Amino acid sequence: QVQLVESGGGLVKPGGSLRISCAASGFTFSDYYMSWIRQAPGKGLEWVSFISSSGTTINYADSVEGRFTISRDNAKNSLYLQMNGLRAEDTALYYCARDKHIVPASTTRFDYWGQGALVTVSS
Amino acid sequence: DIVMTQTPLSLSVTPGQPASISCKSSQSLLHSDGKTYLYWYLQKPGQSPQLLIYEVSNRFSGVPDRFSGSGSGTDFTLKISRVEAEDVGVYYCMQTIQFRTFGQGTKVEIK
Repeated sequence: QVQLVESGGGLVKPGGSLRISCAASGFTFSDYYMSWIRQAPGKGLEWVSFISSSGTTINYADSVEGRFTISRDNAKNSLYLQMNGLRAEDTALYYCARDKHIVPASTTRFDYWGQGALVTVSS
Repeated sequence: DIVMTQTPLSLSVTPGQPASISCKSSQSLLHSDGKTYLYWYLQKPGQSPQLLIYEVSNRFSGVPDRFSGSGSGTDFTLKISRVEAEDVGVYYCMQTIQFRTFGQGTKVEIK
C-alpha cells in the first residue's frame, strides 16, 4: 500500500535551517510529481512547493521562494525540503503528498498524504 | 495568483440533512486540455487531509456516493446529500491549473 512518512522535524531558532524528508513506498516514486503542503497550528492548508518526477520542474509558493529548496532522490524513493532563513511564521506541520502522475491524462492530485513533520521556529 | 474563496466558513448540520459548500476561484479553472482542475479534500479531526473529489465531480476511490461535486469555470459546489457523524471536519477546495492553491476551509460540525 502507498505510504509516505515524513521525518526530520524539530525546534529551530529564527534564521536557522532544517531539512525534512519524506520516505515513499508502495508505488513507483519516479512516476509522480510530489508536493509539500504545510498547516500552521489551527490554520488551513498552504501549498509550499512541488517537484516534477525527474526533478527538472520545480515551483514554490511566494512565501518560501528563495528560502526553501525542494529536491528528490528517485533511487532512494525520497523527497526533501531544505528550509533556510526560517521565520516564526514557518511554524507548521509539513505534509508531503503524492501529486500528479507523469501520464498526461492523470486525474488525481494529492491522493495520498503523510502524517506530517512538525517544524517549530522559536527562540 | 489564483485565489480560492469558500463559503460558508463554518456549517452546523443535523444528521441526515444535506449540506453544501461553495468555492469560487479568481480565474477560470478550465484548462485548454478541456479539463477543469478543481479538487475537494476533507481533513477529519487529528488526521491528514483526504481526497474526496477530483476534476470537479469525480469521486475518489472509496468515497461514499452521498458526496457530489459540481460547477464550472470559477464557481464550484460540494454537496453532501445526507450528513453523517463521520463527515465532520474541515473541507478544502483546491485548484491546480496554476501551481496549487487551497481555499480557506469550511468547518462542518454536527448539531
